[in-house]
Amino acid sequence: EDKVVQSPLSLVVHEGDTVTLNCSYEVTNFRSLLWYKQEKKAPTFLFMLTSSGIEKKSGRLSSILDKKELSSILNITATQTGDSAIYLCAVGNTGTASKLTFGTGTRLQVTL
Amino acid sequence: DGGITQSPKYLFRKEGQNVTLSCEQNLNHDAMYWYRQDPGQGLRLIYYSQIVNDFQKGDIAEGYSVSREKKESFPLTVTSAQKNPTAFYLCASKGRETQYFGPGTRLLVL
Repeated sequence: EDKVVQSPLSLVVHEGDTVTLNCSYEVTNFRSLLWYKQEKKAPTFLFMLTSSGIEKKSGRLSSILDKKELSSILNITATQTGDSAIYLCAVGNTGTASKLTFGTGTRLQVTL
Repeated sequence: DGGITQSPKYLFRKEGQNVTLSCEQNLNHDAMYWYRQDPGQGLRLIYYSQIVNDFQKGDIAEGYSVSREKKESFPLTVTSAQKNPTAFYLCASKGRETQYFGPGTRLLVL
């Protein structure tokens, strides 16, 4: 059974801090790892990672995959209150159904 | 506007009642998915459909049913057999690489 574990479960930081969120996985026939941000409603897509060691970057957010360690990190620099959300990690396998297995998420709260 | 819509936003179910959650997409995606999200838990897959008139059970299908008569639509029925239906339900469709989510329906039991 595919499994995704995220840490920490929750995190409170001050605006301007840098945070690192972790995701580790066990999956048969790994295809991709995805990060989503969920505020109040629908998760919104952040990154998809398929290759080890290649950093994906979007503004203050970046992510990298380590296939040897079966893990990924999501970094957020110079955090803002608008970064407060649940960050979800999901992995997909090579099956034709393109199913995703999600972790429980990391709840990030950024305070002034 | 292209996207995924879900309705209603909130739904109240009485004991013994079946209720249906709507999911519509105009993204021309073949694959669609239903997830359930409980507090402190990740998204869990209920049902998915890769093509019209075909669907498969996910990890927690008991007490739920679906249909896929049109490409755009993938309604989920929560039956009276689902004893703990209170949750946030998310519908998704898959584009070329990733799944995109609707705004969700929150189901509450009266």
